Amino acid sequence: LAKTTQPISMDSYEGQEVNITCSHNNIATNDYITWYQQFPSQGPRFIIQGYKTKVTNEVASLFIPADRKSSTLSLPRVSLSDTAVYYCLVGLTASKLTFGTGTRLQVTL
Amino acid sequence: GAVVSQHPSWVICKSGTSVKIECRSLDFQATTMFWYRQFPKQSLMLMATSNEGSKATYEQGVEKDKFLINHASLTLSTLTVTSAHPEDSSFYICSAPGPGAVQETQYFGPGTRLLVL
Repeated sequence: LAKTTQPISMDSYEGQEVNITCSHNNIATNDYITWYQQFPSQGPRFIIQGYKTKVTNEVASLFIPADRKSSTLSLPRVSLSDTAVYYCLVGLTASKLTFGTGTRLQVTL
Repeated sequence: GAVVSQHPSWVICKSGTSVKIECRSLDFQATTMFWYRQFPKQSLMLMATSNEGSKATYEQGVEKDKFLINHASLTLSTLTVTSAHPEDSSFYICSAPGPGAVQETQYFGPGTRLLVL
């Protein structure tokens, strides 16, 4: 299972764009990159998933360079409610997932 | 999207008793489910893979006799913490791959908070 590395924590002001980068140097050819959000005392919630290039949905964008050894989750115009832990996971999503440390995002006014 | 439920959402028990936690996939079938444990301020740690109709696969360091897993149907997996002790107090979360394509995402339950006194 590919190991991921992300910043432990990040701070942002409300209304700013937040970019969280994840390194996954050992990503395998068939692996997908998935990001989850977790609030305290809740299960992780799916945010976005991608294989290569750029993926965008209603809440976030995911940028993946050609070598796929890293990925960046972009959250546009964050609000206080985006304060949470964000996990980057790499693998076949139907298989068991290994969670890294995650990035604790704190959004303030 | 697909929904995974857990029951109970929280439980308090006395040391030495056993506690059963249910994980259900709603509106879809899951031949495989996963159980995680999460301590305060820490990441999720995979405990075991629950397989419908066969024995669960446990991660290294997880006692299979301590954490009994039964995947009795295509929509239900249960985790029983036997002879619970205070150090078993944690947040237990299950997940299941959603229906559909091979690279369907995993859906997580809301978690079960266990407090052993």
